[in-house]
Amino acid sequence: LAKTTQPISMDSYEGQEVNITCSHNNIATNDYITWYQQFPSQGPRFIIQGYKTKVTNEVASLFIPADRKSSTLSLPRVSLSDTAVYYCLVGTSGGSYIPTFGRGTSLIVHP
Amino acid sequence: NAGVTQTPKFRILKIGQSMTLQCTQDMNHNYMYWYRQDPGMGLKLIYYSVGAGITDKGEVPNGYNVSRSTTEDFPLRLELAAPSQTSVYFCASIEPDVTLNTEAFFGQGTRLTVV
Repeated sequence: LAKTTQPISMDSYEGQEVNITCSHNNIATNDYITWYQQFPSQGPRFIIQGYKTKVTNEVASLFIPADRKSSTLSLPRVSLSDTAVYYCLVGTSGGSYIPTFGRGTSLIVHP
Repeated sequence: NAGVTQTPKFRILKIGQSMTLQCTQDMNHNYMYWYRQDPGMGLKLIYYSVGAGITDKGEVPNGYNVSRSTTEDFPLRLELAAPSQTSVYFCASIEPDVTLNTEAFFGQGTRLTVV
């Protein structure tokens, strides 16, 4: 699986837009990009998945440039409840799919 | 659907004791995983299974065993508990399909302390 690199931590304030970028230089042609959110004392929760260009759902947007070597998770107008760790994963569901988690990005939203 | 259910939620073990962490999913997923998460770290894969009767080691399998006799259940066994196994354990499942879905569903975790 392609290795990912993302910032260890980020700080923001309520109402701001937060963008978390993940680098995955060795992403394979069949790999998808998936983001998870984890609150303290809970299991990770799927946020969004994409292959190329832009994907948007009710929670976030995912921007993927043409070369797919990076991706950016965008959280619009964050609130205190968005304080969590965010993980970027790449991989394909073909064959033996193993979700591989790095340390993630710890986002703290301040009042 | 209950999703992925883990029991117990908390447990304290003495060094050398054994226990089984239970994991059940009701989504008919073929792929199941066990992870451990130490404070401030990401999740490390212990074992995984791609279907009933098939299991394989992950990154940190030492000190653990698994079995997968049914699609629904994927128990994790600790035979001789050690302080290094103090961690939070998460079970997850996924059903990769023709849409290349990669959404994994996680249980709420089991917090294990070995003293």
